[in-house]
Amino acid sequence: QVQLQESGPGLVKPSETLSLNCSVSGYSISSGHYWAWVRQPPGKGLEWIATVYQNGFTYYNPSLKGRVTIFADTSKNQFSLKVSSVTAADTAVYYCARCGSGWSMDFWGQGTLVSVSP
Amino acid sequence: DIQLTQSPSFLSASVGDRVTITCRASQAVDGYLAWYQQKPGKAPKLLIYGASTLQSGVPSRFSGSGSGTEFTLTVSSLQPEDFATYYCQYLTSYPREVTFGGGTKVEIK
Repeated sequence: QVQLQESGPGLVKPSETLSLNCSVSGYSISSGHYWAWVRQPPGKGLEWIATVYQNGFTYYNPSLKGRVTIFADTSKNQFSLKVSSVTAADTAVYYCARCGSGWSMDFWGQGTLVSVSP
Repeated sequence: DIQLTQSPSFLSASVGDRVTITCRASQAVDGYLAWYQQKPGKAPKLLIYGASTLQSGVPSRFSGSGSGTEFTLTVSSLQPEDFATYYCQYLTSYPREVTFGGGTKVEIK
């Protein structure tokens, strides 16, 4: 069974960089599939952040491009997200997910809440 | 950029009801549509992909249809465990970008 687990600090100061990892078990990310980050501000809807393929190809939400970096580490079987210059608007539950057919997200992590506060 | 509008945004229904949620795209572009169910405090769960293909393990009371700019998710007979928020998601083929609809919350009448 494919399992994903997010990890990273729960609190980040404004203007700093948010860094999250997603560890994958039960599947080797080097075997294929695309891998994504999605976030959800408290009480709001879902927002796609970025997607990475095992060969390093990356895709970003245009509204966040320039502040976001996604990359895969096949040696650790994980992929990661960095969001720079964070503000309170970046406070959200961050999910990592595996993309299946048509980038539908068939496996998800449990999510991790990241708060941006002084 | 494509925009997805879900309607209604809120729906009150009873167990056994047939429920339909609509997802309208701002333009017809090549891509793929999926539907998710999300319960409070949980990650979304994939229900439908490719507009109409049921994800493995999802009950057959869920179905999806549509093409172009209008897609629907139907629950043929609402069960107690179906009260949740539902989201549509669209992947545009070029450029490859993902957009989510605003969500439809289904509550017990």
